[in-house]
Amino acid sequence: GAVVSQHPSWVICKSGTSVKIECRSLDFQATTMFWYRQFPKQSLMLMATSNEGSKATYEQGVEKDKFLINHASLTLSTLTVTSAHPEDSSFYICSARDEGWGYGYTFGSGTRLTVV
Amino acid sequence: TQLLEQSPQFLSIQEGENLTVYCNSSSVFSSLQWYRQEPGEGPVLLVTVVTGGEVKKLKRLTFQFGDARKDSSLHITAAQPGDTGLYLCAGAEAAGNKLTFGGGTRVLVKP
Repeated sequence: GAVVSQHPSWVICKSGTSVKIECRSLDFQATTMFWYRQFPKQSLMLMATSNEGSKATYEQGVEKDKFLINHASLTLSTLTVTSAHPEDSSFYICSARDEGWGYGYTFGSGTRLTVV
Repeated sequence: TQLLEQSPQFLSIQEGENLTVYCNSSSVFSSLQWYRQEPGEGPVLLVTVVTGGEVKKLKRLTFQFGDARKDSSLHITAAQPGDTGLYLCAGAEAAGNKLTFGGGTRVLVKP
Protein backbone atom coordinates (compact mmCIF):
# COMPACT_ATOMS: atom_id res chain seq x y z
CA GLY A 1 0.00 0.00 0.00
CA ALA A 2 0.90 3.67 -0.23
CA VAL A 3 3.33 4.93 2.41
CA VAL A 4 3.92 8.52 3.46
CA SER A 5 6.92 9.32 5.60
CA GLN A 6 7.03 12.46 7.72
CA HIS A 7 10.13 13.80 9.44
CA PRO A 8 10.89 14.75 12.12
CA SER A 9 8.35 13.10 14.39
CA TRP A 10 8.93 15.75 17.03
CA VAL A 11 10.92 18.95 17.32
CA ILE A 12 11.50 21.58 19.98
CA CYS A 13 12.67 25.00 18.88
CA LYS A 14 13.18 28.45 20.34
CA SER A 15 10.87 31.35 19.59
CA GLY A 16 11.92 33.24 16.50
CA THR A 17 13.60 30.33 14.76
CA SER A 18 12.31 28.41 11.73
CA VAL A 19 11.51 24.74 11.51
CA LYS A 20 11.21 22.58 8.40
CA ILE A 21 9.03 19.48 8.24
CA GLU A 22 9.39 16.99 5.40
CA CYS A 23 6.71 14.80 3.85
CA ARG A 24 7.73 12.07 1.42
CA SER A 25 5.69 9.62 -0.59
CA LEU A 26 7.84 6.51 -0.49
CA ASP A 27 6.39 4.23 -3.14
CA PHE A 28 4.28 6.47 -5.29
CA GLN A 29 4.34 9.89 -6.88
CA ALA A 30 2.10 12.63 -5.58
CA THR A 31 1.39 15.77 -7.56
CA THR A 32 -0.68 16.98 -4.65
CA MET A 33 -0.01 16.75 -0.94
CA PHE A 34 -1.94 18.24 1.94
CA TRP A 35 -0.82 19.79 5.21
CA TYR A 36 -2.97 19.69 8.32
CA ARG A 37 -2.75 21.04 11.82
CA GLN A 38 -4.30 19.32 14.80
CA PHE A 39 -4.83 20.73 18.27
CA PRO A 40 -5.19 18.44 21.29
CA LYS A 41 -8.40 16.46 21.30
CA GLN A 42 -9.56 18.08 18.09
CA SER A 43 -9.93 16.99 14.50
CA LEU A 44 -7.60 17.80 11.61
CA MET A 45 -7.71 21.26 10.10
CA LEU A 46 -6.51 21.65 6.54
CA MET A 47 -3.86 24.34 6.24
CA ALA A 48 -2.88 24.15 2.59
CA THR A 49 -2.70 22.06 -0.55
CA SER A 50 0.81 21.57 -1.85
CA ASN A 51 1.08 21.41 -5.65
CA GLU A 52 4.15 19.99 -7.34
CA GLY A 53 5.88 22.63 -9.44
CA SER A 54 3.53 25.44 -8.51
CA LYS A 55 2.40 27.56 -5.59
CA ALA A 56 0.56 26.05 -2.70
CA THR A 57 -3.10 26.81 -2.13
CA TYR A 58 -3.72 28.06 1.39
CA GLU A 59 -6.95 27.80 3.33
CA GLN A 60 -8.61 30.92 4.58
CA GLY A 61 -6.93 32.32 7.66
CA VAL A 62 -3.61 30.53 7.15
CA GLU A 63 -0.66 32.88 6.75
CA LYS A 64 1.30 31.89 3.66
CA ASP A 65 4.35 33.88 4.77
CA LYS A 66 4.29 32.09 8.10
CA PHE A 67 3.87 28.58 6.75
CA LEU A 68 6.03 28.19 3.68
CA ILE A 69 5.31 25.19 1.50
CA ASN A 70 7.59 23.83 -1.19
CA HIS A 71 6.74 20.88 -3.42
CA ALA A 72 9.84 20.60 -5.56
CA SER A 73 9.45 16.99 -6.63
CA LEU A 74 6.75 14.38 -7.06
CA THR A 75 7.74 12.68 -3.82
CA LEU A 76 8.61 15.52 -1.46
CA SER A 77 6.76 18.43 0.08
CA THR A 78 8.12 20.57 2.89
CA LEU A 79 6.42 22.85 5.38
CA THR A 80 8.56 25.52 7.01
CA VAL A 81 7.21 27.31 10.05
CA THR A 82 8.99 30.64 9.99
CA SER A 83 9.73 32.80 13.02
CA ALA A 84 7.97 30.30 15.22
CA HIS A 85 6.08 31.38 18.31
CA PRO A 86 4.63 29.32 21.16
CA GLU A 87 1.16 29.56 19.59
CA ASP A 88 2.52 27.66 16.59
CA SER A 89 3.05 24.65 18.82
CA SER A 90 0.86 21.91 17.46
CA PHE A 91 0.71 18.54 15.72
CA TYR A 92 1.32 18.90 11.98
CA ILE A 93 0.32 16.10 9.61
CA CYS A 94 0.74 15.68 5.87
CA SER A 95 -1.14 13.42 3.50
CA ALA A 96 -1.06 12.32 -0.10
CA ARG A 97 -3.13 10.18 -2.38
CA ASP A 98 -1.83 7.38 -4.53
CA GLU A 99 -4.13 7.65 -7.52
CA GLY A 100 -3.39 4.08 -8.48
CA TRP A 101 -4.62 2.89 -5.11
CA GLY A 102 -8.16 4.17 -5.20
CA TYR A 103 -9.78 6.98 -3.30
CA GLY A 104 -8.03 6.72 0.03
CA TYR A 105 -5.56 9.27 1.32
CA THR A 106 -2.46 8.16 3.22
CA PHE A 107 -1.24 10.20 6.15
CA GLY A 108 2.19 10.71 7.58
CA SER A 109 2.82 9.92 11.23
CA GLY A 110 2.77 13.58 12.17
CA THR A 111 5.24 16.05 13.66
CA ARG A 112 4.86 17.39 17.19
CA LEU A 113 6.22 20.94 17.20
CA THR A 114 6.90 22.64 20.52
CA VAL A 115 8.08 26.25 20.48
CA VAL A 116 9.63 27.45 23.73
CA THR B 1 -17.59 25.57 2.99
CA GLN B 2 -18.59 21.95 3.34
CA LEU B 3 -19.21 20.74 6.82
CA LEU B 4 -19.22 17.24 8.20
CA GLU B 5 -20.92 16.82 11.53
CA GLN B 6 -19.81 13.83 13.48
CA SER B 7 -21.64 12.44 16.49
CA PRO B 8 -21.26 11.69 19.25
CA GLN B 9 -18.10 13.57 20.19
CA PHE B 10 -17.25 11.07 22.89
CA LEU B 11 -18.36 7.53 23.61
CA SER B 12 -17.43 5.39 26.59
CA ILE B 13 -18.62 1.80 26.62
CA GLN B 14 -17.82 -1.55 28.20
CA GLU B 15 -16.04 -4.30 26.34
CA GLY B 16 -18.51 -6.41 24.38
CA GLU B 17 -21.00 -3.64 23.75
CA ASN B 18 -21.85 -2.25 20.33
CA LEU B 19 -21.46 1.33 19.19
CA THR B 20 -22.36 3.51 16.22
CA VAL B 21 -20.74 6.73 15.06
CA TYR B 22 -22.52 9.04 12.64
CA CYS B 23 -21.23 11.45 10.04
CA ASN B 24 -23.70 13.85 8.43
CA SER B 25 -23.54 16.63 5.90
CA SER B 26 -25.80 18.71 3.70
CA SER B 27 -23.30 18.29 0.86
CA VAL B 28 -22.78 15.40 -1.53
CA PHE B 29 -19.41 13.69 -1.50
CA SER B 30 -17.83 11.65 -4.25
CA SER B 31 -16.18 9.52 -1.60
CA LEU B 32 -16.09 9.30 2.15
CA GLN B 33 -13.34 7.82 4.26
CA TRP B 34 -13.18 6.64 7.84
CA TYR B 35 -9.94 6.88 9.77
CA ARG B 36 -8.76 5.85 13.20
CA GLN B 37 -6.09 7.84 14.97
CA GLU B 38 -3.99 6.93 17.99
CA PRO B 39 -2.45 9.68 20.17
CA GLY B 40 0.72 11.12 18.62
CA GLU B 41 0.22 9.36 15.30
CA GLY B 42 -1.31 10.14 11.95
CA PRO B 43 -4.78 8.87 10.97
CA VAL B 44 -4.93 5.37 9.51
CA LEU B 45 -7.42 4.68 6.75
CA LEU B 46 -10.07 2.12 7.66
CA VAL B 47 -12.32 2.22 4.63
CA THR B 48 -13.41 4.28 1.64
CA VAL B 49 -17.01 4.28 0.43
CA VAL B 50 -17.96 5.72 -2.93
CA THR B 51 -21.35 4.34 -3.96
CA GLY B 52 -24.62 5.55 -2.45
CA GLY B 53 -26.12 2.84 -0.26
CA GLU B 54 -22.84 0.98 -0.08
CA VAL B 55 -22.12 -1.21 2.94
CA LYS B 56 -18.63 -2.42 3.72
CA LYS B 57 -17.54 -4.76 6.47
CA LEU B 58 -14.12 -4.97 8.04
CA LYS B 59 -14.20 -7.73 10.66
CA ARG B 60 -16.33 -6.26 13.49
CA LEU B 61 -16.65 -2.87 11.78
CA THR B 62 -19.52 -2.09 9.40
CA PHE B 63 -19.52 1.07 7.32
CA GLN B 64 -22.50 2.45 5.48
CA PHE B 65 -22.75 5.26 2.94
CA GLY B 66 -26.13 6.97 2.62
CA ASP B 67 -28.11 6.64 -0.60
CA ALA B 68 -27.66 10.36 -1.31
CA ARG B 69 -23.93 10.22 -0.47
CA LYS B 70 -24.34 12.85 2.22
CA ASP B 71 -24.00 10.76 5.34
CA SER B 72 -22.27 7.71 6.67
CA SER B 73 -22.11 5.54 9.76
CA LEU B 74 -19.60 3.30 11.44
CA HIS B 75 -20.87 0.44 13.59
CA ILE B 76 -18.60 -1.63 15.81
CA THR B 77 -19.89 -4.94 17.11
CA ALA B 78 -18.64 -6.39 20.38
CA ALA B 79 -16.15 -3.60 20.97
CA GLN B 80 -12.77 -4.44 22.44
CA PRO B 81 -10.28 -2.24 24.34
CA GLY B 82 -8.12 -2.25 21.21
CA ASP B 83 -10.88 -0.32 19.44
CA THR B 84 -10.18 2.69 21.66
CA GLY B 85 -9.13 5.71 19.63
CA LEU B 86 -10.24 8.78 17.72
CA TYR B 87 -12.48 7.95 14.76
CA LEU B 88 -12.61 10.48 11.97
CA CYS B 89 -14.80 10.68 8.91
CA ALA B 90 -13.64 12.70 5.93
CA GLY B 91 -15.30 13.50 2.63
CA ALA B 92 -13.97 14.58 -0.75
CA GLU B 93 -16.05 16.58 -3.22
CA ALA B 94 -14.37 14.88 -6.16
CA ALA B 95 -11.57 12.41 -6.62
CA GLY B 96 -8.26 14.06 -5.79
CA ASN B 97 -9.79 17.02 -4.01
CA LYS B 98 -8.97 17.97 -0.49
CA LEU B 99 -10.66 16.18 2.35
CA THR B 100 -13.09 17.78 4.74
CA PHE B 101 -12.90 16.20 8.18
CA GLY B 102 -15.62 15.71 10.72
CA GLY B 103 -14.97 16.79 14.28
CA GLY B 104 -14.02 13.28 15.36
CA THR B 105 -15.45 10.80 17.86
CA ARG B 106 -13.32 9.74 20.77
CA VAL B 107 -14.13 6.13 21.67
CA LEU B 108 -13.11 4.54 24.94
CA VAL B 109 -13.73 0.84 25.42
CA LYS B 110 -13.27 -0.23 29.01
CA PRO B 111 -12.19 -3.79 29.80
